[in-house]
Amino acid sequence: QKEVEQNSGPLSVPEGAIASLNCTYSDRVSQSFFWYRQYSGKSPELIMSIYSNGDKEDGRFTAQLNKASQYVSLLIRDSQPSDSATYLCAVASGGGADGLTFGKGTHLIIQP
Amino acid sequence: EPEVTQTPSHQVTQMGQEVILRCVPISNHLYFYWYRQILGQKVEFLVSFYNNEISEKSEIFDDQFSVERPDGSNFTLKIRSTKLEDSAMYFCASSERLWNQPQHFGDGTRLSIL
Repeated sequence: QKEVEQNSGPLSVPEGAIASLNCTYSDRVSQSFFWYRQYSGKSPELIMSIYSNGDKEDGRFTAQLNKASQYVSLLIRDSQPSDSATYLCAVASGGGADGLTFGKGTHLIIQP
Repeated sequence: EPEVTQTPSHQVTQMGQEVILRCVPISNHLYFYWYRQILGQKVEFLVSFYNNEISEKSEIFDDQFSVERPDGSNFTLKIRSTKLEDSAMYFCASSERLWNQPQHFGDGTRLSIL
């Protein structure tokens, strides 16, 4: 049974600070890792994808992957109130048609 | 920016009735997916579809569910005899041909079973 674990939060961060979101996964053969943002009542919106160990930066977002520890993280720099949402970690084993296994998500609140 | 389109946005159906949820994936994408999210719970994979056949399906995707690509643009999910527990948001997603490409989600259909 593939599992993706996230702290459900809420995680409260002051505006302008760095928000750090974490995720662990159980399936060692996982190859693809994604962070999605989901506003209440809306669909998941892709933020970042990462496939190899290390850091990947895109604007204010940095994804970090450590396959040995089965750990993925997302850093959001200069947090804005509009970043307040639930952040979903999703994992796929590989191959084009793999279903994603999602975590329950971390509810992030950016305090103005 | 191209997007996945889903219709209807909200479907209300009596228990035991059949329902069809529709999706138009991004035009150059070749892999298609259905997920569901019960209120307050995580997003769950139902099925993936490639080259006009099911590639992978989860335990949730039992004989009550079926998928079809009836033409060059639409991708549908049918639930034959709906149950109360089928009430959820259903998301369609698609991804490009290349290996490990991210999946892009539609806005979803809220299915309410009475």
